[in-house]
Amino acid sequence: DIQMTQSPSSLSASVGDRVTITCRASQGIRNDLGWYQQKPGKAPKRLISTASSLESGVPSRFSGSGSGTEFTLTISSLQPEDFATYYCLQNNSYPPTFGGGTKVEIK
Amino acid sequence: EVQLVESGGGLVKPGGSLRLSCAASGFTFSSASMSWVRQAPGKGLEWVGHFNSKIDGGTTAYAAPVKGRFIISRDDSESTLYLEVNSLKTEDTAVYYCATSGLTHWGQGTLVTVSS
Repeated sequence: DIQMTQSPSSLSASVGDRVTITCRASQGIRNDLGWYQQKPGKAPKRLISTASSLESGVPSRFSGSGSGTEFTLTISSLQPEDFATYYCLQNNSYPPTFGGGTKVEIK
Repeated sequence: EVQLVESGGGLVKPGGSLRLSCAASGFTFSSASMSWVRQAPGKGLEWVGHFNSKIDGGTTAYAAPVKGRFIISRDDSESTLYLEVNSLKTEDTAVYYCATSGLTHWGQGTLVTVSS
């Protein structure tokens, strides 16, 4: 199975901050990576697919980059509604595997 | 609008069984491969398995921890996905989500609690 190592596991940030979350795959996965946002008690919501394609309706402050084994989710200016837990997911090969999550908290 | 509504969760004793359902609408269910994903309380996300559409071969695949105990099925005429969970262990306690192909759209989840 492909291991997805996500960092940091948590971070504290203020509204307006630029936030970067990283996922590293244990082997190359091309650009077969998605990013999800999950708020407490809710289902995950996909923000980005194929490493950098923004889902419809997702604010442009979210962006994704990377290919192969290193991927990044960036929130350019953190907003109050962005405080949540973020997960990466590789769907290059079975089984699909998630990163461990990054909890973004208010500073 | 894609809608997925899970049901069937509850409290069950170790060794017991449940059948979870996922009612789908807003898309052509019969053409969609569907997955189950679970999340233990306070933990991360874990893919459980999937059932490919007939077009994609109608095959199933399962995660190692559930293989041989869980069975995914589907009724395309009813646009419903099922997850039969058997020989339950305490570590199977989780919210179970169904999701569309590529884990694009998710339901709200149903909680399965395994406890004596």
